[in-house]
Amino acid sequence: QVQLVQSGAEVKKPGASVKVSCKASGYTFTSYDMNWVRQATGQGLEWMGWMNPNSGDTGYAQRFQGRVTMTRDTSINTAYMELSSLTSDDTAVYYCARGEMGIGSSFDIWGQGTMVTVSS
Amino acid sequence: DIQMTQSPSSLSASVGDRVTITCRTSQSISNYLNWYQQKPGKAPKLLISAASSLQGGVPSRFSGSGSGTDFTLTISSLQPEDFATYYCQQSYSTRAFGPGTKVDIK
Repeated sequence: QVQLVQSGAEVKKPGASVKVSCKASGYTFTSYDMNWVRQATGQGLEWMGWMNPNSGDTGYAQRFQGRVTMTRDTSINTAYMELSSLTSDDTAVYYCARGEMGIGSSFDIWGQGTMVTVSS
Repeated sequence: DIQMTQSPSSLSASVGDRVTITCRTSQSISNYLNWYQQKPGKAPKLLISAASSLQGGVPSRFSGSGSGTDFTLTISSLQPEDFATYYCQQSYSTRAFGPGTKVDIK
């Protein structure tokens, strides 16, 4: 079945970086965008950016520009999201979500989420 | 960036109630509006895309309407499994979610 499986929970110190993976199965990886969304405890959903796994093109939310990098390895159908210069405000669950390419897309398949805790 | 609001931010309702949640955008987005349901500890689930298109497997008591800047999610008869938080999301430009509406038991 179509699914996205994310890497496990991470604990990082302030100033460090974290890289979360998202392995896709059950569909053609390069035919859909991959989006990343995060959610701090008790808070709403925050879209971080998207990547086209076919071309590698990316688009990031302005507040994460310069701090987030989205990449992929098409040989293993896996997308990655790396966030640098972590602070306690980055403590959150990070989700990958599949989206159709282009305007009007919705996120129809979601990963299970990866908890990232930033603490000294 | 397009700003999004949802109202109410929370509501208490009983099983069988009709529930309406509103989402407004700061500029016209045509019908590029999606609705998600999220339960505690779970990933969001897509309910409705393109303002009114019900996803496969989603009960018909859920419906969506609207275009331009004003959108509505309606649950015609609230069921126990519908107690959750609901988010709208615009897909017209840089993706963004509304702040959410929590539906809990009265």
